[in-house]
Amino acid sequence: GQQLNQSPQSMFIQEGEDVSMNCTSSSIFNTWLWYKQDPGEGPVLLIALYKAGELTSNGRLTAQFGITRKDSFLNISASIPSDVGIYFCAGLNVMYSGGGADGLTFGKGTHLIIQP
Amino acid sequence: NAGVTQTPKFQVLKTGQSMTLQCAQDMNHEYMSWYRQDPGMGLRLIHYSVGAGITDQGEVPNGYNVSRSTTEDFPLRLLSAAPSQTSVYFCASSYMIPGTAGNTIYFGEGSWLTVV
Repeated sequence: GQQLNQSPQSMFIQEGEDVSMNCTSSSIFNTWLWYKQDPGEGPVLLIALYKAGELTSNGRLTAQFGITRKDSFLNISASIPSDVGIYFCAGLNVMYSGGGADGLTFGKGTHLIIQP
Repeated sequence: NAGVTQTPKFQVLKTGQSMTLQCAQDMNHEYMSWYRQDPGMGLRLIHYSVGAGITDQGEVPNGYNVSRSTTEDFPLRLLSAAPSQTSVYFCASSYMIPGTAGNTIYFGEGSWLTVV
């Protein structure tokens, strides 16, 4: 199946620093999604990207859909303690011709730890 | 608005036992899916459904059955539990096929399953 490589695996940063993480794929996706998961909770959608080259912001978060459609980036500016958690990228190919969807392929996650 | 509700939250099974993880959503969503999340891994798709009466396999379907007799419910059955099925299971739903612009995928809070 499709594979997503997400990096870094974990980040230890100081409060106020900017954060960058990325996902790369061996195959093309036509949708990229970024999720955050807090301990004991399900993932919550942060940003969705639908077009190659698209740059989308959600507050202090900015994500980009790579031009090659094989990668995506998430940046968090001026990190705060509540940004702690696991961030997942997910790629999706919707099979328009078949009318179905093969679901999301998730990266393995980036653990973000913030030191006050 | 309950969103996506999963039960049970925690379960311990003996090898060979069967059980059903329940998932219900009250948002009239057509698309529902089940994922499993293992340590150091992203979420992997088990089965999904694009509407009542329609189900399909995801990336890791072996050992699991699903059915979709109503729009609201999408139960996941483990026929003969194995230790390899120890995992956290997430149910998800969305109004339209994932990847449709503006469509949000909602996740349940997870079901922690241990097979001994």
